[in-house]
Amino acid sequence: DARVTQTPRHKVTEMGQEVTMRCQPILGHNTVFWYRQTMMQGLELLAYFRNRAPLDDSGMPKDRFSAEMPDATLATLKIQPSEPRDSAVYFCASGLQGGRTNEKLFFGSGTQLSVL
Amino acid sequence: SQQGEEDPQALSIQEGENATMNCSYKTSINNLQWYRQNSGRGLVHLILIRSNEREKHSGRLRVTLDTSKKSSSLLITASRAADTASYFCATSRQAGTALIFGKGTTLSVSS
Repeated sequence: DARVTQTPRHKVTEMGQEVTMRCQPILGHNTVFWYRQTMMQGLELLAYFRNRAPLDDSGMPKDRFSAEMPDATLATLKIQPSEPRDSAVYFCASGLQGGRTNEKLFFGSGTQLSVL
Repeated sequence: SQQGEEDPQALSIQEGENATMNCSYKTSINNLQWYRQNSGRGLVHLILIRSNEREKHSGRLRVTLDTSKKSSSLLITASRAADTASYFCATSRQAGTALIFGKGTTLSVSS
């Protein structure tokens, strides 16, 4: 079965360090999303791309977060410098979207980030 | 603000009972989707209902949509212990925009 692959699954780092999370979307999907999940805020949209072009990154703290899609098989989310409040589970999801409707999303297993 | 809000936040039932979760949203939508999340895992799509549909079934799942009340419900019939998970509704305002998720309902089914 096709699946969205995220690495790493777990990351523990110290405050101030750079963190890079990677996502391989499902082949053929044209839209990639980054979400962050915490107990307090639930699932928050951070950014998303269509055909590798960024469509919306208004959910990201711009001073420390950056998201890119260097090619169709890789999406990255970087935090530099990381802070304890960034501790959360970060999910990547991909889907085939456009036209008249949005179809379902496929989620990766997430990266659980702990910033000490 | 989030587009969808689920109610109740938590639900505990016995195996064999039905579970009903509700979702309310604030603006017009293109479609509404329900997802499930098992502990420590990613979300899995369950069912999608379009804005011009009122009811949809998939196995033991039944989803209704009332656009006049801006609400949806997810019914799981004859629940099983394996249905224990968090359930999220998600909406998009129009085609091509991102899905916005509610905070979810945590369902516990005891045997």
